[in-house]
Amino acid sequence: DTGVSQNPRHKITKRGQNVTFRCDPISEHNRLYWYRQTLGQGPEFLTYFQNEAQLEKSRLLSDRFSAERPKGSFSTLEIQRTEQGDSAMYLCASSLPGSNTGELFFGEGSRLTVL
Amino acid sequence: AQKVTQAQTEISVVEKEDVTLDCVYETRDTTYYLFWYKQPPSGELVFLIRRNSFDEQNEISGRYSWNFQKSTSSFNFTITASQVVDSAVYFCALKTKGGSQGNLIFGKGTKLSVKP
Repeated sequence: DTGVSQNPRHKITKRGQNVTFRCDPISEHNRLYWYRQTLGQGPEFLTYFQNEAQLEKSRLLSDRFSAERPKGSFSTLEIQRTEQGDSAMYLCASSLPGSNTGELFFGEGSRLTVL
Repeated sequence: AQKVTQAQTEISVVEKEDVTLDCVYETRDTTYYLFWYKQPPSGELVFLIRRNSFDEQNEISGRYSWNFQKSTSSFNFTITASQVVDSAVYFCALKTKGGSQGNLIFGKGTKLSVKP
């Protein structure tokens, strides 16, 4: 399978707990993106990496959220002290080097449910 | 401000019917890109098409066609002779040249159900 891989696919946690999601992009893609999608809405941009550098963060990414891509390959998205409002699908996408026209390759997402 | 509006929340058709999904966008930028993505029940968004603001030619790809009209700020998507496998949520999205590399602005999506 050479697509974008995300895990876990589904995480149920209690409010206040920390959760971490992992994304493995397509191997030759140097750009990696995180989006959040709530029920009935379109995806909303969270953050973007080019190689290991986090180049942009949305104001949606509160202090409780942190994303890393330490070696420019896989990325993790951690949410600390989860709140019920964090319940959503977290989507990862990647794109080709030099691609600035928005054709993104998405994973199947990690669904977070905060009880 | 940039915005994408998909006024149709849900559409239901019977197989072999044609269906058009509407998309209206707002931007002050003169250079921008428009997209359609398909999200099947598995959840993975699949890229369908990209159009830049300087190319108003309509495009056809098999049963899919797209109508881009700058005068009405619309980028509509038509599926001809729909099939059950077309059932999915379809998102229209906008990216401006001046915007960030990663920030696609998505509409809320239109859920298409094609019944046999």
